[in-house]
Amino acid sequence: EVQLVESGGGLVKPGGSLRLSCAASGFTFTNAWMHWVRQAPGKGLEWVGRIKRKTDGGTTDFAAPVKGRFTISGDDSINTFYLQMNSLKTEDTAVYYCATDDYGGAWGQGTLVTVSS
Amino acid sequence: QSALTQPPSASGSPGQSVTISCTGTSSDVGGYNYVSWYQQHPGKGPRLMIYEVSKRPSGVPDRFSGSKSGNTASLTVSGLRTEDEADYYCASYAGSSSVFGTGTKVTVL
Repeated sequence: EVQLVESGGGLVKPGGSLRLSCAASGFTFTNAWMHWVRQAPGKGLEWVGRIKRKTDGGTTDFAAPVKGRFTISGDDSINTFYLQMNSLKTEDTAVYYCATDDYGGAWGQGTLVTVSS
Repeated sequence: QSALTQPPSASGSPGQSVTISCTGTSSDVGGYNYVSWYQQHPGKGPRLMIYEVSKRPSGVPDRFSGSKSGNTASLTVSGLRTEDEADYYCASYAGSSSVFGTGTKVTVL
């Protein structure tokens, strides 16, 4: 069964950093396009960034509001990829999901990030 | 990259059909055959319903179908059921990024 499990959310002060993890099972994440998507309270879905499958270069892309502050990396040995968030702003407060359309599609359960002083 | 435009709401009675539009530009919806649709029930994570414009993942009822014409993609839900009441979002590949739609709340009357 294809499954994604996020962790690492929490409360952080503006300007702080946080690293989210997404553990994949049932498939190898380096064989899929993996995305981070966020949803602010009461709002719609917003694409944050992605890492392409290795055969497509394994490169990353980011949405304009987070470019230069967020990075994506992965650890093949534990089939987990990460969202490193730096210089956090109050407007980054949201539930963060990892997701893929590959392998029939899968979304994690989401992890809440709250940026507040 | 601006959000794709969806109607805020749509509704239908059980057994009827409802179609949701998703309008973008030639830089996203119109430029690629990579449009996906997601269903989200309150308090839950999204679920992939359609990918690559019209393909259905295993387990998604064939009542759900997708299409595209020019810069507008559409999701049709036929034979509406009470469990179809949810928020629906489209998303499109846009070259160096991806973009979601504004979301549509579907109500089953």
